[in-house]
Amino acid sequence: GESVGLHLPTLSVQEGDNSIINCAYSNSASDYFIWYKQESGKGPQFIIDIRSNMDKRQGQRVTVLLNKTVKHLSLQIAATQPGDSAVYFCAESLQGSARQLTFGSGTQLTVLP
Amino acid sequence: GAVVSQHPSRVICKSGTSVKIECRSLDFQATTMFWYRQFPKKSLMLMATSNEGSKATYEQGVEKDKFLINHASLTLSTLTVTSAHPEDSSFYICSARIPTGSPYNEQFFGPGTRLTVL
Repeated sequence: GESVGLHLPTLSVQEGDNSIINCAYSNSASDYFIWYKQESGKGPQFIIDIRSNMDKRQGQRVTVLLNKTVKHLSLQIAATQPGDSAVYFCAESLQGSARQLTFGSGTQLTVLP
Repeated sequence: GAVVSQHPSRVICKSGTSVKIECRSLDFQATTMFWYRQFPKKSLMLMATSNEGSKATYEQGVEKDKFLINHASLTLSTLTVTSAHPEDSSFYICSARIPTGSPYNEQFFGPGTRLTVL
């Protein structure tokens, strides 16, 4: 069936370095993508989103890239900080699907001192 | 803005009892709310879509008689786990969709409720 998956389950980076978290999606009809951050014991926190008519979007210290040709999504975090340690999920949404989100399996980001 | 709350944050109950979890949108009206379940170190699994004033739409494999959803107002949806069993222990998370008129899905999530059934 259709699924959203992540290439790496864990990622460790040094504080101050840039982080790149990847996501592969299989439903080519998906038209909206969101990255969420989830800290332990808490609900997902919206980070950034991107629509399918875009290939790049920037926020504060974060950038999302969308490559529809290979159905790939990435989240780049600049100057990673200890507070960035969390699980990151990508989610996709399809127009006409009651706007339900399908979540990927998640990547645990650990920032090393 | 766009704050979603859940109550309680943690609940421990005995097997066979029922537990109600509330999801509230604090600063906006949400015609659609979603309920998710998350197991440790796993992703979020959509259980049901809750629409204000109508019956919830359940995902395949989710027992509607066990997980009762009521969306009685534009700011409140409740999930009741009936006759809870230890296997129902999980992290339950709700989200609310902001009715901006956008065709895109801007959902904001509550902090989650940890249910432990003894």
